[in-house]
Amino acid sequence: LAKTTQPISMDSYEGQEVNITCSHNNIATNDYITWYQQFPSQGPRFIIQGYKTKVTNEVASLFIPADRKSSTLSLPRVSLSDTAVYYCLVGDSLSGGYQKVTFGTGTKLQVIP
Amino acid sequence: NAGVTQTPKFRVLKTGQSMTLLCAQDMNHEYMYWYRQDPGMGLRLIHYSVGEGTTAKGEVPDGYNVSRLKKQNFLLGLESAAPSQTSVYFCASSYDPRSTGYSYEQYFGPGTRLTVT
Repeated sequence: LAKTTQPISMDSYEGQEVNITCSHNNIATNDYITWYQQFPSQGPRFIIQGYKTKVTNEVASLFIPADRKSSTLSLPRVSLSDTAVYYCLVGDSLSGGYQKVTFGTGTKLQVIP
Repeated sequence: NAGVTQTPKFRVLKTGQSMTLLCAQDMNHEYMYWYRQDPGMGLRLIHYSVGEGTTAKGEVPDGYNVSRLKKQNFLLGLESAAPSQTSVYFCASSYDPRSTGYSYEQYFGPGTRLTVT
């Protein structure tokens, strides 16, 4: 399976923009880059995915450079409610590994008042 | 739509007891998954299914069995519970990634918190 690497934890003050970068050097040409958010005692929730360049929705933005070997999740003006674990995922479609993905340990974001 | 539901929400077992966790989805998804999450850890895939009547092993399948007799349901069984199986169990479902351009959007249930003493 294509592997991802992201920081274990990050702290940010309320109102700041937070950028979480994930590296995925072995990403397949066909695969999307997907990010999930998990609050304590809840299941993960899909927040955004992209294939290239930039994607934006009501929750976050996702920046993907041309080589697609990394991606950056951007959370604008975070609040205390954004405290969560954020997971970056890619599949492995070329080797037939599209049937499952690996969540890893994610990045624990702590927003400070 | 209820999305993905899990039954029960909490359970305490004694070592050696058995139980079945039920997952149901109403989104007509082909794929279903069972994960476990230990405190402070990420999710680990136990078993998954790519369609009715099919199952496959994930990263940590030992001690668990699964069945998918109906497309909307995915059952996870523990035949002889052990303290090492104390965890939170999440079920998820998705469309076949090939039908969505290799998107990996999965929909998760609320989880089952299992304690084995």
